[in-house]
Amino acid sequence: GENVEQHPSTLSVQEGDSAVIKCTYSDSASNYFPWYKQELGKRPQLIIDIRSNVGEKKDQRIAVTLNKTAKHFSLHITETQPEDSAVYFCAASPAGGTSYGKLTFGQGTILTVHP
Amino acid sequence: DGGITQSPKYLFRKEGQNVTLSCEQNLNHDAMYWYRQDPGQGLRLIYYSQIVNDFQKGDIAEGYSVSREKKESFPLTVTSAQKNPTAFYLCASTPGTGRERNTEAFFGQGTRLTVV
Repeated sequence: GENVEQHPSTLSVQEGDSAVIKCTYSDSASNYFPWYKQELGKRPQLIIDIRSNVGEKKDQRIAVTLNKTAKHFSLHITETQPEDSAVYFCAASPAGGTSYGKLTFGQGTILTVHP
Repeated sequence: DGGITQSPKYLFRKEGQNVTLSCEQNLNHDAMYWYRQDPGQGLRLIYYSQIVNDFQKGDIAEGYSVSREKKESFPLTVTSAQKNPTAFYLCASTPGTGRERNTEAFFGQGTRLTVV
């Protein structure tokens, strides 16, 4: 089955700096890669996602890049703000078969943005 | 919060008891999932269901059971066979149909289960 590794486990930056979180996956059949943000005690919420037919996607201060050959994808947050502080999870999901929609998550990154 | 609702928010269980966590969605989604979240381990899949009256084991199904009698509902029972049930449990749903069948998963607000 799919295995997703996420690094780093914790990340501390100053307000205004950039933050980068990296994930690798093992199953070449995966083609959907979402990123979720989870604030303390709350549900995970999707912040950006990418499919395997594109290499990069951007939404304001957030971008995701995907390298299917190397099986890794990354989240980039620019101009970080204190409200970006949360746990971030990457995930991977296969295109079809009996496992479609089944997300395998990375271990999470605790991001702290210091004012 | 609409969409997908979990209850209760907090649940306490005595050792040896079975407990059932509720998950209801009004998004008309075909697929539903149960994840367990422990500190430092991310979200691990317990069970998932892609259609009514059918479900599959995830990565950590031992000690858990589910049913999917209605499209809107996917309850999770934590049995006495689950040796370490204290955790945060999250239910999720996805549309499950269409050309791109893997899409955004919507999560409930979670149930925190504690064994006392």
